[in-house]
Amino acid sequence: DTGVSQDPRHKITKRGQNVTFRCDPISEHNRLYWYRQTLGQGPEFLTYFQNEAQLEKSRLLSNRFSAERPKGSFSTLEIQRTEQGDSAMYLCASSPRGDGNQPQHFGDGTRLSIL
Amino acid sequence: AQTVTQSQPEMSVQEAETVTLSCTYDTSESNYYLFWYKQPPSRQMILVIRQEAYKQQNATENRFSVNFQKAAKSFSLKISDSQLGDTAMYFCAFMKGGATNKLIFGTGTLLAVQP
Repeated sequence: DTGVSQDPRHKITKRGQNVTFRCDPISEHNRLYWYRQTLGQGPEFLTYFQNEAQLEKSRLLSNRFSAERPKGSFSTLEIQRTEQGDSAMYLCASSPRGDGNQPQHFGDGTRLSIL
Repeated sequence: AQTVTQSQPEMSVQEAETVTLSCTYDTSESNYYLFWYKQPPSRQMILVIRQEAYKQQNATENRFSVNFQKAAKSFSLKISDSQLGDTAMYFCAFMKGGATNKLIFGTGTLLAVQP
């Protein structure tokens, strides 16, 4: 069990550029989550996958955001035409299938800074 | 919609002392779970303790215990024998049972353990 891995750890980009983040969940976990955490706030849910199916998206996820999990393993989160307000920590978590007795394991996050 | 409120932005405790972090939540659900997560500085979020709403007995994990008051919708975390390594941001989180298992977080309490 190597834990949830996220890449890159930090991303600095100019406003208007596209960025893509990657998340590798714990291998036997079929559920994968993306959260966004801004300074001084708790993480906010963005989207959820069960295997390759994206089953829920938050209204926070504007049409500039897209997430995929093509083979039910790793996931990518892309932000197009980045804006200042996109600056945040993007967290990925995974869990085995089940109810709340299956805790979510978080990665270190990708910190995005928009210049 | 569910909400989670942490009214203590910062707290401080002396090493070896006991501290209690407060959390209240609002929901109309009967099947749910509550969690405390710890996020050390620049490190990943880890689960501290969880409580199933249908269980009356308060959860305990070593030095960490909760006081779950279902009628009052209160879920406080008690840390006994505080250690320097307990210094972190602590987030209270809610999860609705039987759904996507997304977590709804409070804004966090920054705990500083003083030597």
